[in-house]
Amino acid sequence: EVQLVQSGAEVKKPGESLKISCKASGYSFTNNWIGWVRQMPGKGLEWMGIINPADSTTRYGPSFQGHVSISADKSVNTAYLQWSSLKASDNAIYYCARHVRNISSRWIDPWGQGTLVTVSS
Amino acid sequence: QSVLTQPPSASGTPGQRVTVSCSGSSSTIDAVTWYQQLPGTAPNLLMYSNNQRPSGVPDRFSGSKSGTSASLAISGLQSEDEADYYCAAWDDSLYGWVFGGGTKLTVL
Repeated sequence: EVQLVQSGAEVKKPGESLKISCKASGYSFTNNWIGWVRQMPGKGLEWMGIINPADSTTRYGPSFQGHVSISADKSVNTAYLQWSSLKASDNAIYYCARHVRNISSRWIDPWGQGTLVTVSS
Repeated sequence: QSVLTQPPSASGTPGQRVTVSCSGSSSTIDAVTWYQQLPGTAPNLLMYSNNQRPSGVPDRFSGSKSGTSASLAISGLQSEDEADYYCAAWDDSLYGWVFGGGTKLTVL
């Protein structure tokens, strides 16, 4: 079974750093790009960025470029989302998701269970 | 960058047929996917390539696309269908996914 298992909920103070993880299993990790999606409280889904675990090529959504860092370690089948200095506006649930592609189409499946990040002084 | 517009809400009674629309701003929108997010859970793939159901998704769910607009139809509405539904499309210029704002479906 293809699974993405994310690290647990975090409570941090503004200005602190944070790195959350997304461990893949059930498929060859380097065969599929992994993306990150933000969901702020009571709001919709926002695309943050995507990484190719095979060579760590990364692309970021315009709203997130420079604010977060996406990385991957293929030796442990894990992707990461990192902040160097959290803000209160980073309060959200963060999902990782596997990007699937065939000749004519793309989709996202599966999604991780989500990591709740709470930033509060 | 493409924009996908969904109605914020939809509703129906058990057994009814409801549709959720997804209107795109760009003529270059690729195939549309749909995700169902049950309360308090992660999104789940419901439809890909406009009208393809993954295994395990009931055939009560169907998808279609015409031009830059797509629709998700749910027939024989059930209480467990109460959820948020999101359309999404890949944007080559962004090299990322564009999501619609989501539609909250209420089963009355």
